[in-house]
Amino acid sequence: DAGVTQSPTHLIKTRGQQVTLRCSPKSGHDTVSWYQQALGQGPQFIFQYYEEEERQRGNFPDRFSGHQFPNYSSELNVNALLLGDSALYLCASSLVVENEQFFGPGTRLTVL
Amino acid sequence: QKEVEQDPGPLSVPEGAIVSLNCTYSNSAFQYFMWYRQYSRKGPELLMYTYSSGNKEDGRFTAQVDKSSKYISLFIRDSQPSDSATYLCAMSPINAGNNRKLIWGLGTSLAVNP
Repeated sequence: DAGVTQSPTHLIKTRGQQVTLRCSPKSGHDTVSWYQQALGQGPQFIFQYYEEEERQRGNFPDRFSGHQFPNYSSELNVNALLLGDSALYLCASSLVVENEQFFGPGTRLTVL
Repeated sequence: QKEVEQDPGPLSVPEGAIVSLNCTYSNSAFQYFMWYRQYSRKGPELLMYTYSSGNKEDGRFTAQVDKSSKYISLFIRDSQPSDSATYLCAMSPINAGNNRKLIWGLGTSLAVNP
């Protein structure tokens, strides 16, 4: 049973560019949440998708957007990248009726 | 004041020691409590999950929740060098629709020395 997978593993971009990160949830899960984790910090909630809709959003600007596909996989898009966007981006999947969230290995984004 | 407070450490113990990790929180709406382990440059791994006050045991790990004091703990017995990682507490409010937003502590860095 495959767990949560994310791609790419690492990414280097320059300021102003745009990036797309991808996530496939654990088999059977229908909800995907995205988190940003800066070095030495706990994860910060970006947003959550269920039934292809954004259900909740954290304190992140509109430069951060997402999408969920019919197969429950998800994308995180970040426009107009800033140096401060450099972080580990984590995807977590869960069942909408449960609280336990399972995380992927993350995508490490470096903005130069 | 942050909603969840966790001492970042670092904490260094000898192999075989009992480790105690703690978090406090301020929001009484938090009802679900989790402990995650995160190895360097990896995603967090769910260790323990509980929603009631009291103790929950799983092998060498015991999670303890005291809702009256807004205090949660994770105990690791017979600690091993492979337990060296960052331990993060996370919690979420009582189920309100699809509310599954997790609020996290900073994480405590633990080193278990052989």
